[in-house]
Amino acid sequence: AQSVSQHNHHVILSEAASLELGCNYSYGGTVNLFWYVQYPGQHLQLLLKYFSGDPLVKGIKGFEAEFIKSKFSFNLRKPSVQWSDTAEYFCAVSPSGGSYIPTFGRGTSLIVHP
Amino acid sequence: NAGVTQTPKFRVLKTGQSMTLLCAQDMNHEYMYWYRQDPGMGLRLIHYSVGEGTTAKGEVPDGYNVSRLKKQNFLLGLESAAPSQTSVYFCASSYGHSYEQYFGPGTRLTVT
Repeated sequence: AQSVSQHNHHVILSEAASLELGCNYSYGGTVNLFWYVQYPGQHLQLLLKYFSGDPLVKGIKGFEAEFIKSKFSFNLRKPSVQWSDTAEYFCAVSPSGGSYIPTFGRGTSLIVHP
Repeated sequence: NAGVTQTPKFRVLKTGQSMTLLCAQDMNHEYMYWYRQDPGMGLRLIHYSVGEGTTAKGEVPDGYNVSRLKKQNFLLGLESAAPSQTSVYFCASSYGHSYEQYFGPGTRLTVT
């Protein structure tokens, strides 16, 4: 079974700072990768996803993530955060082929100070 | 399209009471999931279903039962609620395990 590790549990930044949230997974085969965002009091929604092709994926609200296969990583980045980016961010991994349940990381809480 | 809806939004139960949470989706998804979210624990999968009439256990199934009698609905039941089941419950649906999940707005359950 696969596993997902999000190293940063809590991140506090000031507006305009750059963001990078780590996500590493363990699985020997081909995977689909996701980042979800949960704004305070709301449900999870998809931020971006990687299935194949260009390992640099662009999502909504200026977020991007890079899949580095050799490092089993899918880190989320944003060059300049805003107060409205305050949220919890979840990385998720699902082996391609559809036989295995997707696995979520424990989440990273991001607080952006104005 | 409403997407994924959940009822109720909030509920307070006393220990030992029972209740059913309803999840409905209008996207014709085959796969549906029930998660619980607790502080510092992330999302934990309770049960899931890969099609009408089928259900399977997830990571934390004890104390919960589910049913998928119709493709669009996935019910989560608590037969005898315990304080440890105080949590926020999210339902999700997708085209398959490999695809993105669409989440409902959640049900906040408190068991006293």
